[in-house]
Amino acid sequence: KAGVTQTPRYLIKTRGQQVTLSCSPISGHRSVSWYQQTPGQGLQFLFEYFSETQRNKGNFPGRFSGRQFSNSRSEMNVSTLELGDSALYLCASSPGTVSTYGYTFGSGTRLTVV
Amino acid sequence: AQTVTQSQPEMSVQEAETVTLSCTYDTSESNYYLFWYKQPPSRQMILVIRQEAYKQQNATENRFSVNFQKAAKSFSLKISDSQLGDTAMYFCAFMKQSGTYKYIFGTGTRLKVLA
Repeated sequence: KAGVTQTPRYLIKTRGQQVTLSCSPISGHRSVSWYQQTPGQGLQFLFEYFSETQRNKGNFPGRFSGRQFSNSRSEMNVSTLELGDSALYLCASSPGTVSTYGYTFGSGTRLTVV
Repeated sequence: AQTVTQSQPEMSVQEAETVTLSCTYDTSESNYYLFWYKQPPSRQMILVIRQEAYKQQNATENRFSVNFQKAAKSFSLKISDSQLGDTAMYFCAFMKQSGTYKYIFGTGTRLKVLA
């Protein structure tokens, strides 16, 4: 059974550009969450989707957005990149409506903004 | 708001020994879930163990066990017979039983298992 797949694995962008990250959840999983991991702020919740609907959003500026498709694949977009957006972006998926059994994470996308 | 605190930034343990990682949390919720995740250099967060707050019995998964003290809001992870492959960052996480579908993570403990 394939795990959570995130692409690309590494990305270098210039300040002011925009970026789209992709996440394919485990087959059958309908809940997808995104987290930002930085040395200074640690792991912070970005947003969570279930059946194409955003159910919860973290405390990030509007430059951060996401969506989920009918096949449960998800994308997140960051516009007008800033140096502080450099981070590891982790995607996680879970099968049910309430993910109390824990999310399965991907290996992340390492974004560097220069 | 919930908070999760891991007070040990780094720890080391000899191979085959036992080590305990500490985690405390603060919440006004009665029903919630607690998790320990491991993040090796490969970056992928791997679920180690989970605990439902309404269960008094401590969770166990092979060499990994927790000491869950609900009144004290403490959730420590014990690793027995430590192996070199246990070297990783360990994160404690909190999730409300309903409503938010998000983890609140601690800052992590870097564990190094020494040969």
